[in-house]
Amino acid sequence: GAVVSQHPSRVICKSGTSVKIECRSLDFQATTMFWYRQFPKQSLMLMATSNEGSKATYEQGVEKDKFLINHASLTLSTLTVTSAHPEDSSFYICSASLDSYYNEQFFGPGTRLTVL
Amino acid sequence: KQEVTQIPAALSVPEGENLVLNCSFTDSAIYNLQWFRQDPGKGLTSLLLIQSSQREQTSGRLNASLDKSSGRSTLYIAASQPGDSATYLCAGTDKLIFGTGTRLQVFP
Repeated sequence: GAVVSQHPSRVICKSGTSVKIECRSLDFQATTMFWYRQFPKQSLMLMATSNEGSKATYEQGVEKDKFLINHASLTLSTLTVTSAHPEDSSFYICSASLDSYYNEQFFGPGTRLTVL
Repeated sequence: KQEVTQIPAALSVPEGENLVLNCSFTDSAIYNLQWFRQDPGKGLTSLLLIQSSQREQTSGRLNASLDKSSGRSTLYIAASQPGDSATYLCAGTDKLIFGTGTRLQVFP
């Protein structure tokens, strides 16, 4: 149980385009989903926390207008990188938990974004 | 602000050794602590979750302890195998602040 999927697993796009990444909890309802970014040889950095049906809470330094997060259902959250640039190239990982921060989080396999 | 440090940053050992990975955090108000492994280019696999009311958790060859008063958690890996080679990350689940990880290589 507790499987989280991400799609796509890898995406290459031109600078200026927008990219949507999906995160799904396959066998449980996730009240809260989290989005992380990981640059090479660095640890994961939390970008934002999303609760189903409400606006996401962004971490300091993360542009909410650039990284659009939608959590329309208890099993799906999407991250859209708008007008992507090469510096947005990174590994994006989502996680899901049954409720708030205080329960175990289950991670997706990640999405490798490369912006040319 | 919570900061998480993991020591050592890298570890290379022969198969069969027992290992200790360390995680320290600055804010002892950490609620739960979770250990993960990450294979190169992959997502995270949850290994163990220690809730605030617990002091340790065990799963197979893995044992993790949590000492909130000293701000430390330890992951013990018994009888290491080449398949254990990965990066091990710890994080507090009150907002999951991650350490930079310990890169483990177990050679045959």
